[in-house]
Amino acid sequence: GAVVSQHPSWVICKSGTSVKIECRSLDFQATTMFWYRQFPKQSLMLMATSNEGSKATYEQGVEKDKFLINHASLTLSTLTVTSAHPEDSSFYICSARTLAGIYEQYFGPGTRLTVT
Amino acid sequence: GQNIDQPTEMTATEGAIVQINCTYQTSGFNGLFWYQQHAGEAPTFLSYNVLDGLEEKGRFSSFLSRSKGYSYLLLKELQMKDSASYLCAVADSNYQLIWGAGTKLIIKP
Repeated sequence: GAVVSQHPSWVICKSGTSVKIECRSLDFQATTMFWYRQFPKQSLMLMATSNEGSKATYEQGVEKDKFLINHASLTLSTLTVTSAHPEDSSFYICSARTLAGIYEQYFGPGTRLTVT
Repeated sequence: GQNIDQPTEMTATEGAIVQINCTYQTSGFNGLFWYQQHAGEAPTFLSYNVLDGLEEKGRFSSFLSRSKGYSYLLLKELQMKDSASYLCAVADSNYQLIWGAGTKLIIKP
């Protein structure tokens, strides 16, 4: 149980285009989802926290107009990187948490984004 | 500020034992997690400690001392597949995870 999927697993896009990444909880309802970014040899950096049906809370320094997060249902959250630039190239990972399981996050497999 | 410290890299021999330390300073404490992350993959959960003491789970054990702001992950009978990064994370007063930079563990035959 507690499986989280992400799609796509990797994507290459041109500078200036937008990319959407989906995060799904397959066998549980995720009241809260988290989006992380990880650059090579660095730790996870939390970008935003989203609760189902409400606006995402962004971490300091993360542009909410550039990284659009939608958590429309208890099993799906999406991250859209708008007007992508090469510096947005990174490993994007989502995680999900249930209302009862406040202590543990279940991670998706990650999406490798390369902007050319 | 909030801070999690762990060594950047460690090397150990197959079959041996290795201890990865983590010290933390956070606003509030609701438990400490250890995750394993292989290159190019997402983290996978290893352990959770919220009370002082040692938690043993197979070849892996995790220890916590809240008064010292200190934890360690102990890996026994090391296998080549244990080569990975090990991430220490603390849940703060808002249950938000604060992450360490990770310790890259290299296992040599």
